[in-house]
Amino acid sequence: GQQVMQIPQYQHVQEGEDFTTYCNSSTTLSNIQWYKQRPGGHPVFLIQLVKSGEVKKQKRLTFQFGEAKKNSSLHITATQTTDVGTYFCAGRAAGNKLTFGGGTRVLVKP
Amino acid sequence: DGGITQSPKYLFRKEGQNVTLSCEQNLNHDAMYWYRQDPGQGLRLIYYSQIVNDFQKGDIAEGYSVSREKKESFPLTVTSAQKNPTAFYLCASKTGGAMDYGYTFGSGTRLTVV
Repeated sequence: GQQVMQIPQYQHVQEGEDFTTYCNSSTTLSNIQWYKQRPGGHPVFLIQLVKSGEVKKQKRLTFQFGEAKKNSSLHITATQTTDVGTYFCAGRAAGNKLTFGGGTRVLVKP
Repeated sequence: DGGITQSPKYLFRKEGQNVTLSCEQNLNHDAMYWYRQDPGQGLRLIYYSQIVNDFQKGDIAEGYSVSREKKESFPLTVTSAQKNPTAFYLCASKTGGAMDYGYTFGSGTRLTVV
């Protein structure tokens, strides 16, 4: 079945630094979604990417969908303590269920 | 304000007991979902429903049951057949139609077997 892998599993970041988390699918996706879950909270929808090579920005967050629509990345610039949490990607192949990756847990060192 | 309400927030169950987790939404969403999250893990799909009176098994449906008698409600029963039920349970919904949209999640129920 469809698998979605995220790397790294953990990301320790110094406050003010940039980092990138990656999402890879075993199958071609029709779209990919990103969610953020704060510690002790629930996932909150951030964004959806649909087109091959699409890039979207939300303030310090940049989301990219690969040309082959099998991978995606989330880049955060100038990390802040408010960025702490787990970031999940979730991919949907045509006609299939949304499959979540295992998440990247982000810890920020002040 | 519209949203999804899950109750209770914390639930303790004795071995061999069935328990039912509540999920209610006032977003007028057609589709509803139940996910299980284990510590440090991703989300695994238990059951989903795209319309009233219809639901499908997800990836880990064994030991669980659901009903969808009303559009607003999608309760999950964790039965005694579920051998390792301690987990964080999340309910989600999204609007229907051909377009895909992000899911709205409830605040979850933490179930512990004692």
